[in-house]
Amino acid sequence: QVQLVQSGAEVKKPGASVKVSCKTSGYTFSDYYMHWVRQAPGQGLEWMGWMHPNAGGTHYSEKFQGRITMTWDTSINTAYMELSGLASDDTAIYYCARGGGPGSYPFGYWGRGTLVTVSS
Amino acid sequence: ETVLTQSPGTLSLSPGERATLSCRASQSVTSTYLAWFQQKPGQAPTLLIYGASSRATGIPDRFSGSGSGTDFTLTISRLEPEDFAVYYCQQYHYSPFTFGGGTKVEIK
Repeated sequence: QVQLVQSGAEVKKPGASVKVSCKTSGYTFSDYYMHWVRQAPGQGLEWMGWMHPNAGGTHYSEKFQGRITMTWDTSINTAYMELSGLASDDTAIYYCARGGGPGSYPFGYWGRGTLVTVSS
Repeated sequence: ETVLTQSPGTLSLSPGERATLSCRASQSVTSTYLAWFQQKPGQAPTLLIYGASSRATGIPDRFSGSGSGTDFTLTISRLEPEDFAVYYCQQYHYSPFTFGGGTKVEIK
């Protein structure tokens, strides 16, 4: 079955960077988009961008341009999202969510989320 | 950016009642790229509806989606106790892919 397992919670100081991982199994990693979505405490959902291993591409929300990097390692079927220049309002749960691919609709599978806390 | 406005913000209903949730887009969205999610406290969102009206795998048929253009609706025909949660619409037609602000369905 499809699984997305995210890395553990992080505490970072303002100005630092964080790198969250999303290890996948149960499907052909390279054939599907992967999205990242975040949710600040008590707030709604915010889409950050997508990556596609086979296409070798990424697309980021303009809001995060310049400080977000999505990468992947196909040898271990893992996606990464790195966010730099952290500020207190980056405190949120960060989710990976599988996007569309062969015979499948997007956002059907999500990781359980990684809490990133930014605090001095 | 395509703004999605969900209404009402909170819906207070009793089990067995019908719930009707609205999602209005600031510009026309192709139905293919409109989704609905359910989120319970402490959990990741769960996809309910994609393509505006298609139920995701395993979603009960009491959930239905409809609409086109700028107006979309999620209907829960008869609320079960496990349906009390927050619901979000999302468009993935235009970048950035945006979510509505959510509708909380609470027990009356």
